[in-house]
Amino acid sequence: GDSVTQMEGPVTLSEEAFLTINCTYTATGYPSLFWYVQYPGEGLQLLLKATKADDKGSNKGFEATYRKETTSFHLEKGSVQVSDSAVYFCALRGTGSQGNLIFGKGTKLSVKP
Amino acid sequence: DAGVIQSPRHEVTEMGQEVTLRCKPISGHNSLFWYRQTMMRGLELLIYFNNNVPIDDSGMPEDRFSAKMPNASFSTLKIQPSEPRDSAVYFCASSLGEKRGGYTFGSGTRLTVV
Repeated sequence: GDSVTQMEGPVTLSEEAFLTINCTYTATGYPSLFWYVQYPGEGLQLLLKATKADDKGSNKGFEATYRKETTSFHLEKGSVQVSDSAVYFCALRGTGSQGNLIFGKGTKLSVKP
Repeated sequence: DAGVIQSPRHEVTEMGQEVTLRCKPISGHNSLFWYRQTMMRGLELLIYFNNNVPIDDSGMPEDRFSAKMPNASFSTLKIQPSEPRDSAVYFCASSLGEKRGGYTFGSGTRLTVV
């Protein structure tokens, strides 16, 4: 069945460092891909999404490109801030009859001043 | 739009008591999902509804858990009787149901069973 694998955390970076969180997926057809962010004590918020191959989703300085050939959707940010400290979830939504969101296990990011 | 609204935000109850969690989805969304989040197991999908009808409840851990959606604007998740291992954050999410879109999550209910 469909699945998402993302890098295990925690990831600790200094402010202004470059961020990459890897995400790969397994799915039939052409799923939609998402990154969600969960700040401490809050629910998950949609950060960005891409619905077809080669699409780039972007928001708040974060970017991810839908790579069909490598089945990947890695999250990047050029210069992280302390306020980016959160848990990041990669997810896919398949094209099957149910097509529910399938989440990775989450990657905790801590940014130090 | 007020988003997905869950209540209460926090619930502390004694083992054996009945607990009811509530969710109001975004108006116009026709799919509703209940998730549970714990440190050990991460995010788990418990049940979801399409057009108020339960579609898949295979994630409900046992018969002590039940969920209803009497109308398009309200859903409940009930645990009876509650146990300490039910302590978790419970999230409700809603979506338009179309295949390319994401879900909108509520802020969650933190349940502690003592």
